[in-house]
Amino acid sequence: DVKVTQSSRYLVKRTGEKVFLECVQDMDHENMFWYRQDPGLGLRLIYFSYDVKMKEKGDIPEGYSVSREKKERFSLILESASTNQTSMYLCASSPGSRSEQYFGPGTRLTVT
Amino acid sequence: GNSVTQMEGPVTLSEEAFLTINCTYTATGYPSLFWYVQYPGEGLQLLLKATKADDKGSNKGFEATYRKETTSFHLEKGSVQVSDSAVYFCALSAGSGYSTLTFGKGTMLLVSP
Repeated sequence: DVKVTQSSRYLVKRTGEKVFLECVQDMDHENMFWYRQDPGLGLRLIYFSYDVKMKEKGDIPEGYSVSREKKERFSLILESASTNQTSMYLCASSPGSRSEQYFGPGTRLTVT
Repeated sequence: GNSVTQMEGPVTLSEEAFLTINCTYTATGYPSLFWYVQYPGEGLQLLLKATKADDKGSNKGFEATYRKETTSFHLEKGSVQVSDSAVYFCALSAGSGYSTLTFGKGTMLLVSP
């Protein structure tokens, strides 16, 4: 079974802190994704990566950056957390073009 | 651009009732179509998929048929259980290159005993 793990299930941070969300997949997938999920807005793509050190902006990249130094690991970085970044963050991976994505359990981030 | 439209929820059913959740899409080319399920407090799980017209995806008693002529991918189950209570997302992947997904807003299903 494909396994995607996220470093924390729940996280509480203060406004202005730098926040790192880590995601690891164990299936040698090429593509990895970060989404945020908010009530009434559904899932929105923040960034994705199709190869090591490669990244592409999604629909809502503002206020976020990403890092992919190894194929299995994809990090989401909030340079200076703000209260409007309080959300559920979901990581996913997929093996290739037009393929299904496999999701991690999510990190519920609260910024106070 | 690509888009997915799902019926608004919540859908409230009694156990053993028949379930339909409607999903229609707009896409360039011939997309792959997916249904995902999300249980409370968890990530999304792939429920089923279909990659070409007239394909039927099925899993755990759920089915959906890829209808190109009506651009639809409706989710059905003959007899729901309380444990099926969750949010269901329809999604598509279209175009060349990366496998980004376009999601519907999700439909909450509540099944009572």
